[in-house]
Amino acid sequence: GQQLNQSPQSMFIQEGEDVSMNCTSSSIFNTWLWYKQEPGEGPVLLIALYKAGELTSNGRLTAQFGITRKDSFLNISASIPSDVGIYFCAGQKYNNNDMRFGAGTRLTVKP
Amino acid sequence: GAVVSQHPSRVICKSGTSVKIECRSLDFQATTMFWYRQFPKQSLMLMATSNEGSKATYEQGVEKDKFLINHASLTLSTLTVTSAHPEDSSFYICSASYPGRANTEAFFGQGTRLTVV
Repeated sequence: GQQLNQSPQSMFIQEGEDVSMNCTSSSIFNTWLWYKQEPGEGPVLLIALYKAGELTSNGRLTAQFGITRKDSFLNISASIPSDVGIYFCAGQKYNNNDMRFGAGTRLTVKP
Repeated sequence: GAVVSQHPSRVICKSGTSVKIECRSLDFQATTMFWYRQFPKQSLMLMATSNEGSKATYEQGVEKDKFLINHASLTLSTLTVTSAHPEDSSFYICSASYPGRANTEAFFGQGTRLTVV
């Protein structure tokens, strides 16, 4: 199925560094979501964005819903080793009836 | 918050047998649940939409006779992989969201790692 364009595919950073990843799409979405997945687990919701232009924070995480409704970014500040995992963006149209995922960004944090 | 529970977390089965995976919404009623498949180092691919009391809607390329979905109650959807083969080995994940809300995030189960030997 249609996927979102998520970048970068992977990141290797030092503990304490900031991280930024983004997703773009040719389609408009009503909701943008960011999930984190750890090995052998299902994705866990980090941030949900419902309005174009919305900027939302969750601790060290900040995400924004692009004005065009076709993109979103996620920033992680002052990374720590437990931030390691795969981060997925997801675009959702109506009532979760059409939710598409990015390919994921694999984050590695070196102590 | 909402919790979606998936069982089993891991299953190993012999080729040719069938495997049933359960997805339960623990503190809310989910009229719709979704089943995904995830290959190693890849994203989640939607397989089908499970609708309570009616037939599931399958994505293009997903065999409905091989991946049987039953959504018999508002809190339970099951995915049965019939006549499993090694190529069916994968990570299967379900999700559900609160019904009746215009914009609502999906909550995922823990996933089921299926290995067919």
